[in-house]
Amino acid sequence: ILNVEQSPQSLHVQEGDSTNFTCSFPSSNFYALHWYRWETAKSPEALFVMTLNGDEKKKGRISATLNTKEGYSYLYIKGSQPEDSATYLCARLSGTYKYIFGTGTRLKVLA
Amino acid sequence: NAGVTQTPKFRILKIGQSMTLQCTQDMNHNYMYWYRQDPGMGLKLIYYSVGAGITDKGEVPNGYNVSRSTTEDFPLRLELAAPSQTSVYFCASSYSGEGPYEQYFGPGTRLTVT
Repeated sequence: ILNVEQSPQSLHVQEGDSTNFTCSFPSSNFYALHWYRWETAKSPEALFVMTLNGDEKKKGRISATLNTKEGYSYLYIKGSQPEDSATYLCARLSGTYKYIFGTGTRLKVLA
Repeated sequence: NAGVTQTPKFRILKIGQSMTLQCTQDMNHNYMYWYRQDPGMGLKLIYYSVGAGITDKGEVPNGYNVSRSTTEDFPLRLELAAPSQTSVYFCASSYSGEGPYEQYFGPGTRLTVT
């Protein structure tokens, strides 16, 4: 994998459903992975910064895991709510201050 | 704290015109970044700076210039605007201690070149 890839591109879920998305990235020269939440007409806001293989982070109903050896991270949302509707971005940081962003997963939670 | 502020919010330029997008942060962050976001694409890094007087190119620097004379300000200059530079531009900053640390984004500048 040469770029940061996110899947799916978009999804619709019902309120109360749990869901997850994937961020795949080059595993070589890995330094950190960021997850951001981006609501329409706003700026991206940081959710997690992850650095170590096997890292697990949690914030309320949202959690993330990291596998640096195989180059992927999962973001989980438990019991989705309409206010979770947003685009979720991941960004890989190499050691040179340069972030490579994925194109995002657009989540719509239907009430 | 105002965080990261950007001006203007919107701008329409004619082909060949020049302009400067302003970015200021009040968090004393050393690291600052400029991104552009095109429809269906992720954020692409244009330029970044690790401190006053130090800047470097990102993925898509052609057609842009930056300067960093103070910790707070990181303006982005478009010299000869082209339609391909129609985009939404985001400035971001982050702390530079024993990191890595998350980036804080400004509200964006929507630029149209016609």
